[in-house]
Amino acid sequence: GAVVSQHPSWVICKSGTSVKIECRSLDFQATTMFWYRQFPKQSLMLMATSNEGSKATYEQGVEKDKFLINHASLTLSTLTVTSAHPEDSSFYICSAGTGSQPQHFGDGTRLSIL
Amino acid sequence: AQKITQTQPGMFVQEKEAVTLDCTYDTSDPSYGLFWYKQPSSGEMIFLIYQGSYDQQNATEGRYSLNFQKARKSANLVISASQLGDSAMYFCAMRETSGTYKYIFGTGTRLKVLA
Repeated sequence: GAVVSQHPSWVICKSGTSVKIECRSLDFQATTMFWYRQFPKQSLMLMATSNEGSKATYEQGVEKDKFLINHASLTLSTLTVTSAHPEDSSFYICSAGTGSQPQHFGDGTRLSIL
Repeated sequence: AQKITQTQPGMFVQEKEAVTLDCTYDTSDPSYGLFWYKQPSSGEMIFLIYQGSYDQQNATEGRYSLNFQKARKSANLVISASQLGDSAMYFCAMRETSGTYKYIFGTGTRLKVLA
């Protein structure tokens, strides 16, 4: 079945550092990828829709300058958390799919900012 | 606006028994998709089952079946013959069928299977 790879699985870094998370569709081309954030024991919250070759569409309340999204190819989208602070610590997960097919999710990235 | 509601924060089931996880939705769109995902403690989201709004029959995938009642706007997940490995968080989701195809997730139900 479709596979989505997300890297890194976890990262710990100092406050003020920028962190890049990659999401790759390994066996299909994804014109659209999605980035979610999940706090402990809560549901997934959609942050933005990543569109290949164009600007991402951010959900209300998500800071565009804080969470930079780039979708340079049909198989890769990146989320960069700029100048990360402890409140940015969370579980970030991406998904990808083609058309009406079910989305497939990466394994997620646990981000801890010290 | 579209909305997904899961009213059961947690459920227990005895091993080998069946369990139903509830999901209700609200949308004004005639065309939509409903999904169930499983999230183990390790965090990955595992696709379980899909139901389209125009599908006449309830979806089934192995031990998973979706009890789709369109008039009641419910899409309950039934897991038969529960296994210890079924212990996880379960999310119901609805998807737009046009535009971006983005998902709206419910708050989830934590299932614990007892030996």
